[in-house]
Amino acid sequence: NAGVTQTPKFRVLKTGQSMTLLCAQDMNHEYMYWYRQDPGMGLRLIHYSVGEGTTAKGEVPDGYNVSRLKKQNFLLGLESAAPSQTSVYFCASRNRVREAFFGQGTRLTVV
Amino acid sequence: AQKVTQAQTEISVVEKEDVTLDCVYETRDTTYYLFWYKQPPSGELVFLIRRNSFDEQNEISGRYSWNFQKSTSSFNFTITASQVVDSAVYFCALTSSGPYNQGGKLIFGQGTELSVKP
Repeated sequence: NAGVTQTPKFRVLKTGQSMTLLCAQDMNHEYMYWYRQDPGMGLRLIHYSVGEGTTAKGEVPDGYNVSRLKKQNFLLGLESAAPSQTSVYFCASRNRVREAFFGQGTRLTVV
Repeated sequence: AQKVTQAQTEISVVEKEDVTLDCVYETRDTTYYLFWYKQPPSGELVFLIRRNSFDEQNEISGRYSWNFQKSTSSFNFTITASQVVDSAVYFCALTSSGPYNQGGKLIFGQGTELSVKP
């Protein structure tokens, strides 16, 4: 039982490059989330989705785009990476009233 | 708007001391859910407890206990007889079901880094 899987786990990008982070869950959860974690800032919500085909902005959405074409997958895109996007990214999923399950995180460095 | 405040950024205790981590929340919805997560140095996020707004009964699980008080909008976490293995960052989180959440947003506090020294 994989739970929530994030790929890749590590990545180094040059400023201006693009990339997509993939989150996959096998628990048939409706809700999925992308967070970034920076020192002293806690977990800040980037975008989230309440179902297949729907997405919404969180607290810090600028510079990111997302898609939820399939219920089990939630993709986070960086169209033109900036050093300010250096962070650890976490994906999570849950059902409406239950706790969230998290992936292992993706450590992204933009140079 | 929803908000979670963990005013304690860092706490340092000596092993076997009791320690309380504070969490204060804000929401206009009447149905909401509160969570605590632990993030050890290895980095993963571990679920500890969930509490809904209709259940104010405090809970104890081994050395861990949680005090939920709607009157003060607080959901505090106490570790009794702390151990070195409790060293981690602890996060409090909030979500709600109602018109003020726009559907499922899950918000975290800034976290409290607990250091338990031998």
